[in-house]
Amino acid sequence: DAMVIQNPRYQVTQFGKPVTLSCSQTLNHNVMYWYQQKSSQAPKLLFHYYDKDFNNEADTPDNFQSRRPNTSFCFLDIRSPGLGDAAMYLCATSREARNNEQFFGPGTRLTVL
Amino acid sequence: GQNIDQPTEMTATEGAIVQINCTYQTSGFNGLFWYQQHAGEAPTFLSYNVLDGLEEKGRFSSFLSRSKGYSYLLLKELQMKDSASYLCAVFSNYQLIWGAGTKLIIKP
Repeated sequence: DAMVIQNPRYQVTQFGKPVTLSCSQTLNHNVMYWYQQKSSQAPKLLFHYYDKDFNNEADTPDNFQSRRPNTSFCFLDIRSPGLGDAAMYLCATSREARNNEQFFGPGTRLTVL
Repeated sequence: GQNIDQPTEMTATEGAIVQINCTYQTSGFNGLFWYQQHAGEAPTFLSYNVLDGLEEKGRFSSFLSRSKGYSYLLLKELQMKDSASYLCAVFSNYQLIWGAGTKLIIKP
């Protein structure tokens, strides 16, 4: 089945220790998104890629970086995680950027100790 | 600014009907989505409205009035598995603007 896959599902890291979250898709969608979602809050868009074009949200901290080496894979790097970065990180894809349904992966729950 | 409002929490009884409202003020509009999100899981797509009116899909229906900046999600014949958060999201200027979600609690 075509799908969006995130690894790992649960990630524990230490304060200040870099961590990388991964996302892959078999949908062959052009657009990939990374969201941060904290409990009882709306998903917050961090960045998105339209193909290889990177789009950073204005309020995304510099601590967060992303890479998309090919159509199928996208990575979220958190260079120096703080306690406030503990959240669910959701990867999503859509066929195009215009008003297209977004398909979500299962998410990675990040704990910072 | 861009803003989406939904009630924080609602409670309903198994077998009943519930309506979850969403109002929005956005600089652009290219459609409104409803997503369901169970605790600890990713959102899953429920419906998409871009024209005014009611879209029915089984037990779930979604309504849109663009002139009023208003939508609702109607859930019929509620089941315990419908206990989840329901998120309203508006596509505005190539960006999906999300509401904080309405937590729906179903009681037997």
